[in-house]
Amino acid sequence: GAGVSQSPSNKVTEKGKDVELRCDPISGHTALYWYRQSLGQGLEFLIYFQGNSAPDKSGLPSDRFSAERTGGSVSTLTIQRTQQEDSAVYLCASSQGAGGLQFFGPGTRLTVL
Amino acid sequence: GEDVEQSLFLSVREGDSSVINCTYTDSSSTYLYWYKQEPGAGLQLLTYIFSNMDMKQDQRLTVLLNKKDKHLSLRIADTQTGDSAIYFCPREGRTGAGSYQLTFGKGTKLSVIP
Repeated sequence: GAGVSQSPSNKVTEKGKDVELRCDPISGHTALYWYRQSLGQGLEFLIYFQGNSAPDKSGLPSDRFSAERTGGSVSTLTIQRTQQEDSAVYLCASSQGAGGLQFFGPGTRLTVL
Repeated sequence: GEDVEQSLFLSVREGDSSVINCTYTDSSSTYLYWYKQEPGAGLQLLTYIFSNMDMKQDQRLTVLLNKKDKHLSLRIADTQTGDSAIYFCPREGRTGAGSYQLTFGKGTKLSVIP
């Protein structure tokens, strides 16, 4: 596609529910990143996928967070048993290769009530 | 201190030049970037500079890099109201597992007064 797309753009959920956030990277980009932007913490790295290699999950804040990338393209970030502190904007980025220029999607604003 | 330090706010009059500054504690990035974030939007890659360059000009944007002082600046000439946004200057880094990531500062909110 022309740019990185994310869905949904907004998600409101109740505490304790699971949510799935989707990222569709730029076609041909092998690297995909998830970041989180919150008022308290600013922009934080969450997870990185490169090609078919095992993902780097070192930024995930807890084991309630997981992500997968199917077929080297679309990625899904799943948050289980959501908590109010998970409320943030979740941003996805992709780059042509490892260490390349990162292009960001519009983000998904998650609100946990 | 923070990996990336920026002033939080900058206010300029329309038509004037804006200068947004960043200081890093670690200057080992290959690239240094400027991203723009408008309200409710994602991050737009504005421009970038290779770490072996001192200056890059791109239309109204001038990027200056002082590697010795670990200082990066973005000058916007003839600032317009559409330039009002938050500007980030992340540095490239590696996670403990060796993967690439961007490390962000808190961003500089530029307000342009008509």
